[in-house]
Amino acid sequence: QVLLQESGPGLVKPSQTLSLTCTVSAGSISSDDYFWSWIRQPPGKGLEWIGYIYHSGSTFYSPSLKSRLTISVDTSKNQFSLKMTSVTAADTAVYYCARLEEWPGPFDSWGQGTLVSVSS
Amino acid sequence: EIVLTQSPATLSLSPGDRATLSCRASQSVNTYLAWYQQKPGQAPRLLIYGASNRATGIPGRFSGSGSGTDFSLTISSLEPEDFAVYYCQQRSSWLTFGGGTKVEIK
Repeated sequence: QVLLQESGPGLVKPSQTLSLTCTVSAGSISSDDYFWSWIRQPPGKGLEWIGYIYHSGSTFYSPSLKSRLTISVDTSKNQFSLKMTSVTAADTAVYYCARLEEWPGPFDSWGQGTLVSVSS
Repeated sequence: EIVLTQSPATLSLSPGDRATLSCRASQSVNTYLAWYQQKPGQAPRLLIYGASNRATGIPGRFSGSGSGTDFSLTISSLEPEDFAVYYCQQRSSWLTFGGGTKVEIK
């Protein structure tokens, strides 16, 4: 059973960059069968897909967030990361990393999530 | 962007009742639709994929149906642990989630 764990600062100032890392264990991030994804959930609201990456480095971003996003992968550490620039209070959310099965599969494993608040 | 509309927003039922949740897509998603369950303070858990396939370890009381634009998730007899929020998600074109249906105790 693969395990995913998010890590990173819980508080980010407005206009700064949000940075999170997801560490994958009990499974290889280099598997050809999966993509590695970020999803967020503002407090009391629904889920929003952010983007995903393949172990080769190919990325796919939500069109609404694309201009502010960078997702990268470090296969030597079995980790992938999210950077989101120019954050505002609207980016306050629980951020989840998740494993996405190859198309057209679902998100089959999720991290526990980490709350990131944007505030001065 | 494909919009998924879930209804009702809230479903008030008693343990043992049958629950039927709806998810409607703004355009066809074939059967590329999944359902997730989320309890307070927890990550979502995959229930159904490919519109009607139960994920590993999911009890038989959960079933999914539909294709194209209209989908449903049915819980045949609600157990106390089934009271939660349920989301549908499509992967036909990019990725989007529905707004969720909360199943609460009546």
